[in-house]
Amino acid sequence: AQKITQTQPGMFVQEKEAVTLDCTYDTSDQSYGLFWYKQPSSGEMIFLIYQGSYDEQNATEGRYSLNFQKARKSANLVISASQLGDSAMYFCAMTPNFGNEKLTFGTGTRLTIIP
Amino acid sequence: EPEVTQTPSHQVTQMGQEVILRCVPISNHLYFYWYRQILGQKVEFLVSFYNNEISEKSEIFDDQFSVERPDGSNFTLKIRSTKLEDSAMYFCASSGSGVWSGTDTQYFGPGTRLTVL
Repeated sequence: AQKITQTQPGMFVQEKEAVTLDCTYDTSDQSYGLFWYKQPSSGEMIFLIYQGSYDEQNATEGRYSLNFQKARKSANLVISASQLGDSAMYFCAMTPNFGNEKLTFGTGTRLTIIP
Repeated sequence: EPEVTQTPSHQVTQMGQEVILRCVPISNHLYFYWYRQILGQKVEFLVSFYNNEISEKSEIFDDQFSVERPDGSNFTLKIRSTKLEDSAMYFCASSGSGVWSGTDTQYFGPGTRLTVL
């Protein structure tokens, strides 16, 4: 069984600063995918970034990057130059293989950006 | 950009009633999912569906739940006899166009908020 742990229930960050959201995972699978989703107050789930277990380089998507440390089983999300619109819940999730199977989610981190 | 759509956005029902939640996945996707999120809690997997059959289901997905793809575009979740504890946000997701790109990300619909009274 796969498990995701997010230990930061809430974070407050000053606008324009960088922020790191922590995620650790546990799995016995050799092949797996790691995902981050954003859930604004409106409720939808927005895909942000993906990292495959065999990817040697950290994934980046615009202001988002994923700090993947396989030996530590961590997949932290880094948001550079935070904006007010980044205020939301952020969920780390994983699948066996690289998708097309059930996503296991963490409990989420509520990020609040302070002007 | 293609997106997953869900209807209704909010459904209120009486305990014991049947509800059907509807989803239109992204048109070229092959894998479909339902998840739920009880208020303030994490997102939980319910069921995945591929090639017109259930590929995996969680222990939450008991006999009162069923899924169907009645035509080429819709994907539905039926709750036969709703309970108070079924009150939650229900998300539909889809993935997998059959063309491998290194990942098959699941894209979520906006959700249906189900309230059981």
